[in-house]
Amino acid sequence: GAGVSQSPSNKVTEKGKDVELRCDPISGHTALYWYRQSLGQGLEFLIYFQGNSAPDKSGLPSDRFSAERTGGSVSTLTIQRTQQEDSAVYLCASSSQPAANYNEQFFGPGTRLTVL
Amino acid sequence: AQSVTQPDIHITVSEGASLELRCNYSYGATPYLFWYVQSPGQGLQLLLKYFSGDTLVQGIKGFEAEFKRSQSSFNLRKPSVHWSDAAEYFCAVGSNSGYALNFGKGTSLLVTP
Repeated sequence: GAGVSQSPSNKVTEKGKDVELRCDPISGHTALYWYRQSLGQGLEFLIYFQGNSAPDKSGLPSDRFSAERTGGSVSTLTIQRTQQEDSAVYLCASSSQPAANYNEQFFGPGTRLTVL
Repeated sequence: AQSVTQPDIHITVSEGASLELRCNYSYGATPYLFWYVQSPGQGLQLLLKYFSGDTLVQGIKGFEAEFKRSQSSFNLRKPSVHWSDAAEYFCAVGSNSGYALNFGKGTSLLVTP
């Protein structure tokens, strides 16, 4: 079956521009996560969605970052007024069970964002 | 808060040699432990996980890991590496009080002929 998909795979933007990154989770997965992978830094949790509940935004690094999930499926991560330090690979993951991180998270291939 | 340390940033092994990637965690209770692999341009794939029970865990692609509570370690091993094992390996820890995984910074594995 189809895995987690993300688009675009690569995005190059100029400093100060807004960008939108899209994630399509595995069909039927209720939990969705965004992580950021910076060079040499491992993965950093950004935000978590579970069904129709309010998301946990505790990992978002600044108010320039926001995310939404429509219809409990597709999610969009938006970065406003991008800065060079936002350059990273943004990974989306989904899992079939809520709020329990002993459940396997399935990762998409990521979006590589480069801010010039 | 839980944390994960992967002491080796890069490791080089010869094809056919054995492999051990180190992972140390910091967490008060029994953690949930994971090893993921990331091939170039690919997402992360789960190799294996440990929650409880037998401390030696078998995973996919011939990998295994051993949970050692006394050493706060969860090292990944493979008896004979293949060139296709060249990738980035991440250890991660979770807890039952949250849902996001805490990842180590990764170990990059290079396999030489």
